[in-house]
This record gives sequence, structure tokens and C-alpha cells, in this order.
Amino acid sequence: QKEVEQNSGPLSVPEGAIASLNCTYSDRGSQSFFWYRQYSGKSPELIMSIYSNGDKEDGRFTAQLNKASQYVSLLIRDSQPSDSATYLCAGKYSNYQLIWGAGTKLIIKP
Amino acid sequence: KAGVTQTPRYLIKTRGQQVTLSCSPISGHRSVSWYQQTPGQGLQFLFEYFSETQRNKGNFPGRFSGRQFSNSRSEMNVSTLELGDSALYLCASSLELTGGDTQYFGPGTRLTVL
Repeated sequence: QKEVEQNSGPLSVPEGAIASLNCTYSDRGSQSFFWYRQYSGKSPELIMSIYSNGDKEDGRFTAQLNKASQYVSLLIRDSQPSDSATYLCAGKYSNYQLIWGAGTKLIIKP
Repeated sequence: KAGVTQTPRYLIKTRGQQVTLSCSPISGHRSVSWYQQTPGQGLQFLFEYFSETQRNKGNFPGRFSGRQFSNSRSEMNVSTLELGDSALYLCASSLELTGGDTQYFGPGTRLTVL
């Protein structure tokens, strides 16, 4: 059973701090991972994708992948109130299907 | 490049009716996936189509069906609607050339079953 797990939160972080979101997956067959952000009532939008072990940075966002420990994380530096949303983690397997976590609700407090 | 479009955006139906939702992928994208999302829930995978063939299927009853046309546009159909089918239905498209391609979502169709 392929699973991707996330803490549902809510995760509350003060404005300007670093928000750390984590995701674990059960199947080592997963080849690539994605972080999406979803505002209430809207559709998910891609933040970052990561395929290799290590860190990948894009502006205030850093994705980290550790295939040996089977976890993926997303760090948001200098958190802003506009970052308040639900963050979805997904892993893609060799059959092209994306397996989704339930999402972590992030609240940035001014 | 135009994004993924879904029609209609909002729909109200009554129990027992059927509904057809449409999705037009980004130009050149050959894979279309459908998801159901209910309030407070994550994305529940319905099915994925690639080159007019259903490639993957989630755990939904047979009342949920779909198809993909030669131009990659896709439709999903729900027959004999139930109250529990009220949800946001999302379509996502991707190139699917290497298996690692990103999915891009449409705005969704919000279905309300009365």
C-alpha cells in the first residue's frame, strides 16, 4: 500500500519565522516528489518538485529529500501571512500515479 | 500558454441525476487526472487518462467514469448522484514524457447535490 503521510496541523508560525512542513512516504519506489499549496476554495498550485536527495532552493522555499529515511520536507523562510494555506505533499511512482498526503494547514500569525 | 480549463465551474444537481464534467488540458499535455476533494479532505484520486486510455484508477464506485478524446480533452461522468458526491472536482494535466512531470490543476468544478 503506497502512502504519503503528513501532519494535518494546524501548524502555527509567527510572521518572519521559518515554517517547517514534513512528509513521509511508505514505498521506496517513489521517484519524484512535489509540494503544492492550496488556498481555501482554490485549486492546488505547484511550489516545488524534487527528484534527488538533498536540498533544492527556490526563493524563500527549500525542499529537502532523504530517500534513505523516506521523508520530504518543505521549509518556508521569512514566513508571510500570505503563506497561510494548506500544503500538500505528493509522491509519484513508476506507474505515473501521484500519491497524495492529506495536507498540512499552515497559519502564519502576524 | 493557456492553463487547464474546467467547465462548468459550478453545478447544482439533485439526487439520482447524472452529471458530466469537462476538462481541457494545457496544450501538448497528454495525461489528465481527476480528483475529488471534500471539505477538510485531501485529494482523492479518481482516474488518470493517457492517450485516450485509462492508465490508473482509484477506489471509487462504477458510478464514476471518464474518458479522454484524441485531442486530450477529458470528461468525467457521475451517474445516480448521491448527497455524498457533493465536492470540488479537480482535473490536472501533465506532459508525462518521463514520468516525473508536474501536474497542473484547473480551477475545479464545484458540484452540489441536493
